[in-house]
Amino acid sequence: DAGVTQSPTHLIKTRGQHVTLRCSPISGHKSVSWYQQVLGQGPQFIFQYYEKEERGRGNFPDRFSARQFPNYSSELNVNALLLGDSALYLCASSLEAGGVYEQYFGPGTRLTVT
Amino acid sequence: RKEVEQDPGPFNVPEGATVAFNCTYSNSASQSFFWYRQDCRKEPKLLMSVYSSGNEDGRFTAQLNRASQYISLLIRDSKLSDSATYLCAVPNGGYQKVTFGTGTKLQVIP
Repeated sequence: DAGVTQSPTHLIKTRGQHVTLRCSPISGHKSVSWYQQVLGQGPQFIFQYYEKEERGRGNFPDRFSARQFPNYSSELNVNALLLGDSALYLCASSLEAGGVYEQYFGPGTRLTVT
Repeated sequence: RKEVEQDPGPFNVPEGATVAFNCTYSNSASQSFFWYRQDCRKEPKLLMSVYSSGNEDGRFTAQLNRASQYISLLIRDSKLSDSATYLCAVPNGGYQKVTFGTGTKLQVIP
């Protein structure tokens, strides 16, 4: 079975631009979470979606938004990019929402903002 | 106190050694805990889940101490291939947020 897939793998944007990152969860998984990971740190929680609804939000500005589609895939959007948004963006899928469910990560999208 | 804390290391150990990492958490309501392994510039991969007092899988043992609010990961008979960063993850009680530690770097030396 295919694991979590993310696209694109790498992206270079300039300050002020907008970016859309995409994620397809493991087949049968209904929940998708997004994380930002900067070098030397653990992943930082951005959002969790379950059945197309936002179930959790981390401490990120409103420039960050996401949505989940009926097929459970998800998009993360970031507006007005800042240099500090440069990071590895990880998507994780789990069977259901809730902390007891194991999360499996995709390979990530490496975003560089210049 | 940080929500989840780990000693960043690095832990440099010889092949065959036993090494243990601790991860402390602040939310006493947390019920489940996870250890992930992350290789350089790769995604985290789930290593072990801990729902009760502990879990064991081959050379790896995870233990939970609720009274002191920490989980530990023990690796026996370390292999060169165990060299990686080990992240602990703690779901935030009834909420959907999962908090990761900064990770502990392990380097196994020949």
